[in-house]
Amino acid sequence: ETGVTQTPRHLVMGMTNKKSLKCEQHLGHNAMYWYKQSAKKPLELMFVYNFKEQTENNSVPSRFSPECPNSSHLFLHLHTLQPEDSALYLCASSQEGRGYEQYFGPGTRLTVT
Amino acid sequence: ILNVEQSPQSLHVQEGDSTNFTCSFPSSNFYALHWYRWETAKSPKALFVMTLNGDEKKKGRISATLNTKEGYSYLYIKGSQPEDSATYLCAFSGELTGGGNKLTFGTGTQLKVEL
Repeated sequence: ETGVTQTPRHLVMGMTNKKSLKCEQHLGHNAMYWYKQSAKKPLELMFVYNFKEQTENNSVPSRFSPECPNSSHLFLHLHTLQPEDSALYLCASSQEGRGYEQYFGPGTRLTVT
Repeated sequence: ILNVEQSPQSLHVQEGDSTNFTCSFPSSNFYALHWYRWETAKSPKALFVMTLNGDEKKKGRISATLNTKEGYSYLYIKGSQPEDSATYLCAFSGELTGGGNKLTFGTGTQLKVEL
């Protein structure tokens, strides 16, 4: 399925590195999301962009910096991460508003060493 | 802290068994309740989105019900098949989550269907 794509699929980075995760949706949606899935924890909403405007920052540390240049693309810029940031990062998209299902990408498995 | 609770945490059933899972969520200021299926090495896929108290939705052998007054939803699988093996997630949105498309997920119910 190619509705929501994410790159890279796997990433290993040191604590001093800077890297970016990319997400692209081909569904014509106007809302995009970043989620974090850590072991044994629920999917955790990090950021929401509605019509390219950030409407949610769920108390995420500043070492995670999102960017949404248009309604089809979403980036998550990473710098000076900690080992506890190792997790699966999922991107999703939907129509903005209540009652719309979200479409998820395959995720990026991030390991911070 | 907003809690979305799912039970059981995991479930093993035999092929052909019927099963059900529970999702409980805050009963006030409700917007929507989502169910997703997440198979290993794949992306979560939406099963149902329900917005009205008393909603019942069905897709093949899978159905779901919603009670917003008491804050619970049930997901039912009739005649489980091995391909139903997955983690089933529910997610809640309401005023407490900050808006209609901001979801709070439960930890999921992991279903394993054995031959």
